[in-house]
Amino acid sequence: DAKTTQPPSMDCAEGRAANLPCNHSTISGNEYVYWYRQIHSQGPQYIIHGLKNNETNEMASLIITEDRKSSTLILPHATLRDTAVYYCIVRTTRNSGGSNYKLTFGKGTLLTVNP
Amino acid sequence: EAQVTQNPRYLITVTGKKLTVTCSQNMNHEYMSWYRQDPGLGLRQIYYSMNVEVTDKGDVPEGYKVSRKEKRNFPLILESPSPNQTSLYFCASSSGFLEQFFGPGTRLTVL
Repeated sequence: DAKTTQPPSMDCAEGRAANLPCNHSTISGNEYVYWYRQIHSQGPQYIIHGLKNNETNEMASLIITEDRKSSTLILPHATLRDTAVYYCIVRTTRNSGGSNYKLTFGKGTLLTVNP
Repeated sequence: EAQVTQNPRYLITVTGKKLTVTCSQNMNHEYMSWYRQDPGLGLRQIYYSMNVEVTDKGDVPEGYKVSRKEKRNFPLILESPSPNQTSLYFCASSSGFLEQFFGPGTRLTVL
């Protein structure tokens, strides 16, 4: 699976949009971009994933550049409860018989939403 | 409500005393997995299971055992716990490459 690079920390004001970047310059054609977050010591929580088109759900939007070498997770109106470590994960969805669906977590970005 | 449950949530034990951490999911997922999380090391996979009676080692399996006798349950067994197994443990489940659901975590301290 491709390696990702994220800033270690970011701040955001409550009510404003939080834009979390992720670089994945070695991504290959069959690899998706997934975002998870972990609120302090809780289990990681799935946010969104995409291949090449922009995606939106009730939690966030995912913008993937045309060359797919980077992406941005957007939380449109951040709240204090969005303070968490956000993980960008790139992995293949090609399951070659017996493959592990393991998620490889990096260090992520600690997003702190300030009042 | 779709969920993964783990028990116990907190456990303090002593070296060598066998323990089991249970994990159960109600989503009929084929895939289940155990991770441990340690400061500076992130989340690392211990064992995983692709389906009933199918289990395999992850990245850090030493000192752990698992079983998958039923689809919904995937217990993690520490036959002889040691202090280096003090950690935060998470169970997860999914249907293929779709989103993985994680349990609330079990904080284990081995003295």
